Parts: sequence; C-alpha cells; structure tokens
Amino acid sequence: AQSVTQPDIHITVSEGASLELRCNYSYGATPYLFWYVQSPGQGLQLLLKYFSGDTLVQGIKGFEAEFKRSQSSFNLRKPSVHWSDAAEYFCAVGAYSGNTGKLIFGQGTTLQVKP
Amino acid sequence: DAGVIQSPRHEVTEMGQEVTLRCKPISGHNSLFWYRQTMMRGLELLIYFNNNVPIDDSGMPEDRFSAKMPNASFSTLKIQPSEPRDSAVYFCASRATGKGNTEAFFGQGTRLTVV
Repeated sequence: AQSVTQPDIHITVSEGASLELRCNYSYGATPYLFWYVQSPGQGLQLLLKYFSGDTLVQGIKGFEAEFKRSQSSFNLRKPSVHWSDAAEYFCAVGAYSGNTGKLIFGQGTTLQVKP
Repeated sequence: DAGVIQSPRHEVTEMGQEVTLRCKPISGHNSLFWYRQTMMRGLELLIYFNNNVPIDDSGMPEDRFSAKMPNASFSTLKIQPSEPRDSAVYFCASRATGKGNTEAFFGQGTRLTVV
C-alpha cells in the first residue's frame, strides 16, 4: 500500500538558518512526489513537485527538494529560513495510474521560526 | 480561474443534524478529492471522483457520510446524522488529468464544528 512518512512532527529553526524537512514514501511504481505548505486557516499550496527528470527540483519561495530513489526519500530544503516560512508542510505521493489516481499525504511537519 | 471554491467556510451544527458541504472544482479539472483534516489523524482522503464517477470511497468513515458529483462543476459531501467526532476541516481539491498535470489544487476548506 502507498504511504508517506514525515518523521518530524514539529521543527523549530532560527531565522536565517538552513532547513531540511524529511519525507519517506512507500510506493510500488515510479512516484509522483509533492510538497505542499499550509498556513493557519488556509488551504494547501503547492511548493514543488517531481515526477521525472532532474532529481533536484526547485520550487516557490526558495525551496528545493531532492528525490533519492535508493532511500525512498524526497526531503525538502531551504538554505535560509524566513519568519514567514512558519507553517505546516506536507509531503505527498501521487498514486496515479493512467488518468486517475489519488494523492496521499504524510502527517505533516509544523515549522516554527525563532527570531 | 477563481480556484477551488468551497462553501460554507464555517459550519456549526448540533449533533444529529444533517450537514452538507459544497465544492466547485476548477473548470476543466476532471478529478475531485474530498479530504478531512484533524489534529489526530492529519489529512485523510475520504473519496475521490474521476469524470464525476466515484473511484475510491474506502476512506469514507461510515455510512453517515455520502458524497455526490452530479456534474463536472459541483460536488457535495453530506453527513447525516452528524456527530461531535465529525468536527474537522474538510478540504476539496481538484486536478486535471493528463500529461504533466499532476498536482491537485485545494480549496480553502470548510471548518465543521458539531456540538
């Protein structure tokens, strides 16, 4: 069965420090992978996605993620965190087949940014 | 496009009452998803439709929950009768299926409180 694991429920970093949020997935085929961000009281916004090609993908707001097939991981990184990055981050895998399929989310990681 | 539109944004109802949540997907998107978000369980996929047909409803918690998609521009999620444990944020998302169209776009959510 498809699944996504985000090992860190809550992370606190200082503003300006680097960030890495971990994501591991379980999926039998080539995965479509996503990172979404959710600000309080808001819906989910796509940060970046991967489904083929270069395993290092760039997203919005200065985020990037690297797909490592051997580790079944898709970790999200940012070199310098801003206070406005405080939010909840979700990793997801698209269990797609043909023109249908579902998006399965991890439990989320809450990011707190210290001034 | 205005994005995925959900209504109402907030709903407070008494236990035992019927609740109907509404979703208008992005025009041209042919997959629609209903998710429930709680602190304890994170983002759970309840049901998804492809071309207005329910494909997977294995996430629907019990018979009190039902979802319909009578046409490509409208879907409802109904809870009858509602219970306090149904209190959560319910998200609708839509996706265009086709080469390169992989991500889902989320609405702002409906925050349901059952008292």
